[in-house]
Amino acid sequence: GENVEQHPSTLSVQEGDSAVIKCTYSDSASNYFPWYKQELGKRPQLIIDIRSNVGEKKDQRIAVTLNKTAKHFSLHITETQPEDSAVYFCAASRAGTASKLTFGTGTRLQVTL
Amino acid sequence: DAGITQSPRHKVTETGTPVTLRCHQTENHRYMYWYRQDPGHGLRLIHYSYGVKDTDKGEVSDGYSVSRSKTEDFLLTLESATSSQTSVYFCAISPSGGGYTFGSGTRLTVV
Repeated sequence: GENVEQHPSTLSVQEGDSAVIKCTYSDSASNYFPWYKQELGKRPQLIIDIRSNVGEKKDQRIAVTLNKTAKHFSLHITETQPEDSAVYFCAASRAGTASKLTFGTGTRLQVTL
Repeated sequence: DAGITQSPRHKVTETGTPVTLRCHQTENHRYMYWYRQDPGHGLRLIHYSYGVKDTDKGEVSDGYSVSRSKTEDFLLTLESATSSQTSVYFCAISPSGGGYTFGSGTRLTVV
């Protein structure tokens, strides 16, 4: 089955700096890659996703890049703000598998003033 | 309202007792999932459903069973709770091929 590895497990940045979280996946047939943000005590929420026919996608301060050849994808957050502090999860799934997502182990991002 | 609710939100139960968690959706989505979340492990799939009475196992299904008799309800049962099943359980729903919407979670403690 699919295996998703995520790094780093913790990340501390100063407000205004950029943050990058990286994930690798094992199943070359995976074609859907979402990112979730989970604030303390809350449910994970989808913040951005990308499909394998696209190399990059942006939404305001967040962007995701996908390298199919290397089987890795990354989340980029620019101009970080304290409210960006949370745990971020990457995930992957392949078509025809009931959209089952395999998640990475999460990155705790702390944005300091 | 996210269109998905879980009950109960918190539960403490004794080792060896059966426990049922409920997930209810109002979105009429085909796919429903149960995950558990543990520190250092992220979210791991327990069971999922692709339609009424159509369910299958995920990567950590031992000790769990599920049922889906209606589109809107997906039940997770711990047949005989153990301390290793202490966790936060999340239900999720998805339209075909899309991202998930998660419920608020159930914090289960087995003592």
